[in-house]
Amino acid sequence: QSVLTQPPSVSAAPGQKVTISCSGSTSNIGNNFVSWYQQLPGTAPKLLIYDNNKRPSGIPDRFSGSKSGTSATLGITGLQAGDEADYYCGTWDSSLSAVFGGGTKLTVL
Amino acid sequence: QVQLQQSGPGLVKPSQTLSLTCAISGDSVSSNSATWDWIRQSPSRGLEWLGRTYFRSKWYNDYALSVKGRITINPGTSKNQFSLQLNSVTPDDTAVYYCARGAYNSAWYFDYWGQGTLVTVSS
Repeated sequence: QSVLTQPPSVSAAPGQKVTISCSGSTSNIGNNFVSWYQQLPGTAPKLLIYDNNKRPSGIPDRFSGSKSGTSATLGITGLQAGDEADYYCGTWDSSLSAVFGGGTKLTVL
Repeated sequence: QVQLQQSGPGLVKPSQTLSLTCAISGDSVSSNSATWDWIRQSPSRGLEWLGRTYFRSKWYNDYALSVKGRITINPGTSKNQFSLQLNSVTPDDTAVYYCARGAYNSAWYFDYWGQGTLVTVSS
């Protein structure tokens, strides 16, 4: 069981927008920053968002992040077939360990 | 550009020790601003952070409570690498193991990952 809760799957058509939620507690998200990772099939996770809403160099602005209270959200606009992947949220908790969500599988219809 | 290259056996017998190495290029294991982490992924546990090593005038380690007592992460300064040892493995330790670099801005996150190593614990 993952510490952070994500929906198992989301789907949307090409060109549309999708959001992925990540729910935690005051022990983790509520008192820390959130990062998001994209994992394409058969590959390692890739950093998409850090510090709740910052994008590393090379990540398009179609990807955005936000946080409110003990929850965070990843948004993806202008969906493309290449966005089909598993998405994970992550943060740190009061036990000084990194924790992750269970992952959300994005299907582009 | 930072690159992390993992190596190590893909099959370990129960009760034995899992050993993996992560070679770093484009950064230094002795960096004062990064951490060097191990994370594993399995269908039953999802992504699970195992621990990290980092240098801040001296070497430090942090380990997850779930593996504390069985895990050792060591830097290898002469070869610019770091390693994972997990003792007394069971089939529950079967997973894809990743090394990753921890970076900090307002909080720690993982900006570079190794390619992953599937480790199966089986006799």
